Amino acid sequence: DVKVTQSSRYLVKRTGEKVFLECVQDMDHENMFWYRQDPGLGLRLIYFSYDVKMKEKGDIPEGYSVSREKKERFSLILESASTNQTSMYLCASRSIRGLQETQYFGPGTRLLVL
Amino acid sequence: RKEVEQDPGPFNVPEGATVAFNCTYSNSASQSFFWYRQDCRKEPKLLMSVYSSGNEDGRFTAQLNRASQYISLLIRDSKLSDSATYLCVVNLSNDYKLSFGAGTTVTVRA
Repeated sequence: DVKVTQSSRYLVKRTGEKVFLECVQDMDHENMFWYRQDPGLGLRLIYFSYDVKMKEKGDIPEGYSVSREKKERFSLILESASTNQTSMYLCASRSIRGLQETQYFGPGTRLLVL
Repeated sequence: RKEVEQDPGPFNVPEGATVAFNCTYSNSASQSFFWYRQDCRKEPKLLMSVYSSGNEDGRFTAQLNRASQYISLLIRDSKLSDSATYLCVVNLSNDYKLSFGAGTTVTVRA
């Protein structure tokens, strides 16, 4: 089974703090994603990485950066946390087999910024 | 207009009932469609892909209507364990990016 793990289930941070969210997958997938999920808005893509050291901005990259130094690890960084970044953060890795693609999600990190 | 739009529900149905709901998408050229299931406070998981000819997986049937740009999910003989939020997911641009609907909540009661 594919396993995607995230470093924390719950985090509480103060405004202005630097926040690191880490994600690790064990299936050698090239593509990894960071989303945030907010009520009524669905999942929104923050950043995408298609390989080591490769990244692309998603729909809402402002206030975030990412790092992919190793294939299995994709980190999301909030340079200076703000209250509007309080959200559920979900990491995913992507498997493609022919026409079938699947995104496997980690359990999520609930971040509260005070 | 949202790129992927779903009726949020909730759909409250008794055990054994049939429940169906739709999802509309904005790009007529989209090629890949999926239903994901998300249990309360859990991560989304792939339920099924949606193929042009429609497809079934046990009690679940997914269909695609390209002319009207919507996909549907039908659940027959609902079980208590079907209670979840169902996310409509579309690859709108046929690249790496998936667009997610906000979800349809289904509650099956005894």
